[in-house]
Amino acid sequence: DIVMTQTPLSSPVTLGQPASFSCRSSQSLVHSDGNTYLSWFQQRPGQPPRLLIYKISNRFSGVPDRFSGSGAGTDFTLKISRVEPEDVGVYYCMQGTQIPRTFGQGTKLEIK
Amino acid sequence: EVQLLESGGGLVRPGGSLRLSCAASGFPFTTHAMNWVRQAPGKGLEWVSTISSTGSAAYYADSVKGRFTISRDNSKNTVDLQMNSLRAEDSALYYCAKAFTVFDYWGQGALVTVSS
Repeated sequence: DIVMTQTPLSSPVTLGQPASFSCRSSQSLVHSDGNTYLSWFQQRPGQPPRLLIYKISNRFSGVPDRFSGSGAGTDFTLKISRVEPEDVGVYYCMQGTQIPRTFGQGTKLEIK
Repeated sequence: EVQLLESGGGLVRPGGSLRLSCAASGFPFTTHAMNWVRQAPGKGLEWVSTISSTGSAAYYADSVKGRFTISRDNSKNTVDLQMNSLRAEDSALYYCAKAFTVFDYWGQGALVTVSS
């Protein structure tokens, strides 16, 4: 199984400042079709997960452009250019390249 | 608008059974794989099962293999999860999620509690 490791586990950030989350996979996420199925989800308190980014860097419909994704192979990053109050929650990465699908343990974004 | 609505959650004793259902609308159901993902209280996300668009292929996490069965009815736009031999560690909020490699839409979840 592909293990997804996220760092840090918690990220205190000042409003208006940037935030960055890291996700590393135990093996390459490049699929045989050439795509890399790495997604990022946001889970606000009491809410279901919401897709933010898919295939490393594609913003999903309705996601603000302050969210961006980057990376390749086994190392991936989610960035928020300027944190807003509604960004509080837990952020998960997930690989959709191989079954079983696996998630990182999550990074909690808190406001300082 | 895509909507996924889970139902069937509840309290069940260890060793018991429960059937979850997810009603889908707002997209061409017959062309998309569907998934179940669970989240134990205060914990992270765990993939449980995926079924192909036609229902011809199904995949399971090792933790539920042999106990859970995923199925779908493309005439009713529903996907079900039959859960047998339930254990305390199966207690979680169970989410239905759309699509195969990218889980783009999620339901609100159905709570399953396994306790005596």
